[in-house]
Amino acid sequence: QVQLVQSGAEVKKPGASVKVSCKASGYTFTNYAIHWVRQAPGQGLEWMGWINPDIGDSTYSQKFQGRVTFTRDRSATTVAMELNSLTFEDTATFYCTRDAKVVGASENYFDSWGQGTLVIVSS
Amino acid sequence: IQMTQSPSSLSASVGDRVTITCRASQNIDTYLNWYQQKPGKAPRLLIYAASSLQTEVPSRFSGGGSGTDFTLTISSLQPEDFATYYCLQTYNIRTFGQGTKVEIK
Repeated sequence: QVQLVQSGAEVKKPGASVKVSCKASGYTFTNYAIHWVRQAPGQGLEWMGWINPDIGDSTYSQKFQGRVTFTRDRSATTVAMELNSLTFEDTATFYCTRDAKVVGASENYFDSWGQGTLVIVSS
Repeated sequence: IQMTQSPSSLSASVGDRVTITCRASQNIDTYLNWYQQKPGKAPRLLIYAASSLQTEVPSRFSGGGSGTDFTLTISSLQPEDFATYYCLQTYNIRTFGQGTKVEIK
């Protein structure tokens, strides 16, 4: 079955960077884009961007552009999200999610999610 | 594309019919999904392409609309449905609605 397994919780100081990984299994890794979503405590879902695991190309939300980088390792079927220059407002749970396409149509949807990785920014 | 979801919260009783709406700032055809999220859990896909029910999602959930106005309806609210619901547009990159928290009356 499709699984996305994320790395464990992190505690970082302001100004530091954090790297969260997402290991995919149960499907052909290069066939599905992976998106990243941030959720601050008690807040809503915020889209950060996505990576094409086949060619490694990424698209970032304007809000995070210049501060976030997505990477992938095809041999390890793993994608990673690195967020730099952390502030207290970056304290959140980060999710990776698989982007599937409706069969015979062009609509997309997030059909599988990682379990989430809590990142705490604290001095 | 901005997504405006309403209401932000509602109180309802088991058995009630509940409708949540989502409005897009421009035409998004049927590029609209609905998700359910419970505390401490990842979101769960309920509806894709505006009105298609995801596998294993109970039939009391239904979605409708196209263009700019969309609805998620729960025909008879069950105890396990108390959660937060989000719409997501996939027409142009991705944007979530602000969420609707469904609470027990």
